[in-house]
Amino acid sequence: LAKTTQPISMDSYEGQEVNITCSHNNIATNDYITWYQQFPSQGPRFIIQGYKTKVTNEVASLFIPADRKSSTLSLPRVSLSDTAVYYCLVGPMFSGGYNKLIFGAGTRLAVHP
Amino acid sequence: ETGVTQTPRHLVMGMTNKKSLKCEQHLGHNAMYWYKQSAKKPLELMFVYSLEERVENNSVPSRFSPECPNSSHLFLHLHTLQPEDSALYLCASSQEQDGNYGYTFGSGTRLTVV
Repeated sequence: LAKTTQPISMDSYEGQEVNITCSHNNIATNDYITWYQQFPSQGPRFIIQGYKTKVTNEVASLFIPADRKSSTLSLPRVSLSDTAVYYCLVGPMFSGGYNKLIFGAGTRLAVHP
Repeated sequence: ETGVTQTPRHLVMGMTNKKSLKCEQHLGHNAMYWYKQSAKKPLELMFVYSLEERVENNSVPSRFSPECPNSSHLFLHLHTLQPEDSALYLCASSQEQDGNYGYTFGSGTRLTVV
């Protein structure tokens, strides 16, 4: 499974755009990139997933360059409720019918008033 | 409600007790997982069940015993735990289908071993 590196923590203010970058230099051809969000004492929540280029949904965008060795999660106009830990995961999807997602330390985002 | 329900939400047990954590999903998923999250540590994958068969056991001590009686239910049986086993235990489920590759996690059971 590809190792990921992301900043330990980030600070932002309400209304700003936040970009969290994740490095995954040894990503494999069949690996997808997935981001999760976790609030204290809750399970992580799936945010977005992509393979290449750009993916956008109602909460975030994911930018993946052509070499796929990094990815950037973009959160538009954050609010206080976006304060959470964000995890970047890389791995093959449903190899053998199930996923084996290995979580790193994540990025602790603090949004200030 | 996330679709994955874990009970109890909180559990305090002595080192000689036997207890069980329960996880239930009504999403039609065919894979279920147990994760452990200790304070200030990443989530650790403990067990994976696919189609009710255990397919992963990541060197978890035998005092943790999983059980998957059907595709909707997953249990984690606990006995003679140690204080260092105190953690948030998270259950998740997943299903391979077009356009949906994510896990759905429960809210977890906060376990304290005294």
